Amino acid sequence: EVQLQQSGAELGKPGTSVKLSCKVSGYNIRNTYMHWVNQRPGKGLEWIGRIDPANGNTIYAEKFKSKATLTADTSSNTAYMQLSQLKSDDTAIYFCAIPLIIRGGDYYVMDAWGQGASVTVSS
Amino acid sequence: DTVLTQSPALAVSPGERVTISCRASESVSTGMHWYQQKPGQQPKLLIYGASNLESGVPARFSGSGSGTDFTLTIDPVEADDTATYFCQQSWNDPPTFGAGTKLELK
Repeated sequence: EVQLQQSGAELGKPGTSVKLSCKVSGYNIRNTYMHWVNQRPGKGLEWIGRIDPANGNTIYAEKFKSKATLTADTSSNTAYMQLSQLKSDDTAIYFCAIPLIIRGGDYYVMDAWGQGASVTVSS
Repeated sequence: DTVLTQSPALAVSPGERVTISCRASESVSTGMHWYQQKPGQQPKLLIYGASNLESGVPARFSGSGSGTDFTLTIDPVEADDTATYFCQQSWNDPPTFGAGTKLELK
């Protein structure tokens, strides 16, 4: 069974950074892309970006280019997302997600998700 | 970015048929997917490529559409289907999600 286990809740002060992790078991992350998606309180889902763990190549949504940094460690089968210069509107649940099966060349169909990590920004 | 518009909420009775719509601001071909999210849980893939049922998902769920107009149908609806349903497009960069349709059972 494939599992994505995310790190715990984070409380960060404005202007600081947090780093979230997503450890995958049962599947080699080299064979897929790792996506990160957020969900602000009571809101919908928002794609942040993705990393190809095999080579470290990243793509970010425009609004997250200076906010998020995605990395991956294939030796531990773990992906990371650092959020910098935290502001109150970064308060959200952050999910990691992967496609286990690449359907028709589409790497953006996410069929396995982590449980989510809560980030709260407050002074 | 491609904007996906969903109706915010629906209420139906168990056993009924429900259709949830998603309209894209530009064509996404068949690069449309549907997810179910229950409170406090991660999203779950239901339909990919507009009309393909994800493995393990009950056949009560089906999807249709292409271009800009898409539909998720649940027939018949069961009590366990209470959730928020999101559409997501992957045809245009960046991938985007709809705001979700909250399905409640009467």
